[in-house]
Amino acid sequence: SQQGEEDPQALSIQEGENATMNCSYKTSINNLQWYRQNSGRGLVHLILIRSNEREKHSGRLRVTLDTSKKSSSLLITASRAADTASYFCATGTYTGGFKTIFGAGTRLFVKA
Amino acid sequence: DAGVTQSPTHLIKTRGQQVTLRCSPKSGHDTVSWYQQALGQGPQFIFQYYEEEERQRGNFPDRFSGHQFPNYSSELNVNALLLGDSALYLCASSLGVGHPQETQYFGPGTRLLVL
Repeated sequence: SQQGEEDPQALSIQEGENATMNCSYKTSINNLQWYRQNSGRGLVHLILIRSNEREKHSGRLRVTLDTSKKSSSLLITASRAADTASYFCATGTYTGGFKTIFGAGTRLFVKA
Repeated sequence: DAGVTQSPTHLIKTRGQQVTLRCSPKSGHDTVSWYQQALGQGPQFIFQYYEEEERQRGNFPDRFSGHQFPNYSSELNVNALLLGDSALYLCASSLGVGHPQETQYFGPGTRLLVL
């Protein structure tokens, strides 16, 4: 089963525009992570935000977390063609071991 | 600093066969998690190994089993393969099973095709 649900499922924008992806989840979490995947290859970790944090930045990435609404968003500013990829949110929950549950992902296409 | 490595990169098996996939974690990491990713889907958590024990398990049948060695490397075994087991199998390593900064680093994956 997948806890996280990304919205939208697919997004097509022009280079230079901002891209916003949303993630909703169902149960309490310890952290939430965003990953990028190019063409079905390995996942690249982008950013981790802990449950007691509300916002984090990393370069052109901005992640917010609202635990009351059980939702997170990933903003990519000034997008580039190289940002074309699938983006996944993943919730981390510790219950004797750390379990990470991924959503189905958002497919982002940035047109040059 | 070597990242997470997986072998083999590709594998073709037939229904009913058994397969073993291997993973070496990133240097300094002691925890290994395995995921199955079907085409067009997000990765599904299979299980996590720490201190050579299975610590967490996802919703996968007993046909999926694993092992972690003293050097922290890990194997994923799948018995009695089904067509539906065709997927990209990803290994991820991290530091400590309950570490607050549970950043996982993923390997490139093993693509398994079951005919």
